[in-house]
Amino acid sequence: KQEVTQIPAALSVPEGENLVLNCSFTDSAIYNLQWFRQDHGKGLTSLLLIQSSQREQTSGRLNASLDKSSGRSTLYIAASQPGDSATYLCAVSPPTSGTYKYIFGTGTRLKVLA
Amino acid sequence: SQTIHQWPATLVQPVGSPLSLECTVEGTSNPNLYWYRQAAGRGLQLLFYSIGIGQISSEVPQNLSASRPQDRQFILSSKKLLLSDSGFYLCAGLQRATTEAFFGQGTRLTVV
Repeated sequence: KQEVTQIPAALSVPEGENLVLNCSFTDSAIYNLQWFRQDHGKGLTSLLLIQSSQREQTSGRLNASLDKSSGRSTLYIAASQPGDSATYLCAVSPPTSGTYKYIFGTGTRLKVLA
Repeated sequence: SQTIHQWPATLVQPVGSPLSLECTVEGTSNPNLYWYRQAAGRGLQLLFYSIGIGQISSEVPQNLSASRPQDRQFILSSKKLLLSDSGFYLCAGLQRATTEAFFGQGTRLTVV
C-alpha cells in the first residue's frame, strides 16, 4: 500500500530564506507526482506536476525534483516571502488504468516571517 | 483553464439530517471527478471517484454516497448524517490529457 510522508510537519523561516520541503513515498511505481498549496481553510492550488519520466519541473521561484527510484521528491522555494505561508502537500498517482487516484501526504505547514 | 465550483462553503447540520453537496466543473469535458475528506490535522482521504457519467467507485465504506448525473456534475450525499461525518470536503477534477488534478474551495461540514 502506497504511503506518502512529508517532513518536516511544520517549518518557520525568516523572509528571504531559500528552503526545501521533502516528500517520500513507499512504492516507486508511480505515474506522476503533484505539489499543491493549501491556504488555511481553503481548497488546494496546484503548483507543479512531475510526470514519472521527468526529473524536475520549475515555475517561478519553485522547483520540484523527483527521484522515483529512491521514492523522494523535494520542493525548493527560493527567496521565501510571507505570502508563501501555507500548507504544502505532495501527492502521488499510482499507475492504475485511467483512475489517477492521488494519494496525499499530511503536508508541511510553512510560516515565513516578515 | 479548468475550474471547480463547490458549494456551500460552510454547512452546519444536525445528526440524522440528509446531506447533499454539489460540485460542477468548467473548462474541460469528460474529467475524472473525486470527493476527498480532510479531517483536522490529517491528510486527504479519497472517498469516491468517477471516470464517467453514472460510474462511481467507493474507496471507503461509510455513511456517504456519490452520484454523477451529468459529465461535469458530481454530488455527495447522505441520508442520515453522523457526528463522524464532520470534516472538510473537497471536490477535485482531473483532465486525463494532462493528469493534473485541480480542486474546488471545499465545504466545511459540522454535524451537531
